[in-house]
Amino acid sequence: GAGVSQSPSNKVTEKGKDVELRCDPISGHTALYWYRQRLGQGLEFLIYFQGNSAPDKSGLPSDRFSAERTGESVSTLTIQRTQQEDSAVYLCASSLSDRALHGYTFGSGTRLTVV
Amino acid sequence: AQSVTQPDIHITVSEGASLELRCNYSYGATPYLFWYVQSPGQGLQLLLKYFSGDTLVQGIKGFEAEFKRSQSSFNLRKPSVHWSDAAEYFCAVDPFAGGTSYGKLTFGQGTILTVHP
Repeated sequence: GAGVSQSPSNKVTEKGKDVELRCDPISGHTALYWYRQRLGQGLEFLIYFQGNSAPDKSGLPSDRFSAERTGESVSTLTIQRTQQEDSAVYLCASSLSDRALHGYTFGSGTRLTVV
Repeated sequence: AQSVTQPDIHITVSEGASLELRCNYSYGATPYLFWYVQSPGQGLQLLLKYFSGDTLVQGIKGFEAEFKRSQSSFNLRKPSVHWSDAAEYFCAVDPFAGGTSYGKLTFGQGTILTVHP
C-alpha cells in the first residue's frame, strides 16, 4: 500500500485479556519496527525486524509481549494478560534497508486502553 | 548514557512569530538526526533529516534544522509559525549511523507546540 497500515486504530480491552495488534508495512520495506507511546511521553522502542534475520527484541518490556513477522510482510504484536500500564499508542514503522536515504514511515498507531 | 533531550515540554507562540525547538543528544559519534511531527490522533510525519554534509537542513512545511557538532544539538526552526503547526514535535536519533547496521530510533520526550491566533 501507499503507507504503513495499522489495525485496529482503537482497542479497549479488559485487564487480563490478550490483544493482537497488526501492522502492514509499505511493500518492499525490509525493516519493521514497533514502538510504544505512553501518554505524555516519547516513543519507546519495542522490537525490530529486518528481513529474515533474528528480530531484536531488546525493547520488549516483559514476556507478556511478543511479535511475529513473516518474511517482509505483515507483523503482529501480541500482548498477553494485559495490564493497565499497557495502555498506550502502539506505533509501527517500516523502512527500506537504506534508511539513511529513505528514512522511516510510521503508521497512525493503535490506541490500546486496558480497563 | 546515550540519550536525546528536548528541554522544552511545552512552547506557546503567536501566529506569525518565529519558532525554535531545541534538541540535544549524547552519543560518541554523529548519529543520523530526525525531526518528526505528530498531530492529534495521527502518526508521525517526517519533517527533515540530517546524515552528513551541509549542517543546515531544509524540510517540509517551511521548517529547517541546524546541526551543531560542538553543541551536540539539532534545533528545529521556522521563521513564521502558522496555526496549523500546532502539534507535538519529536527529535530522534539513529545512533548506528552508516554501514549496514540497523536503525533503532531513540526519541526525545517531545515538545508540544501551541499557536495563539
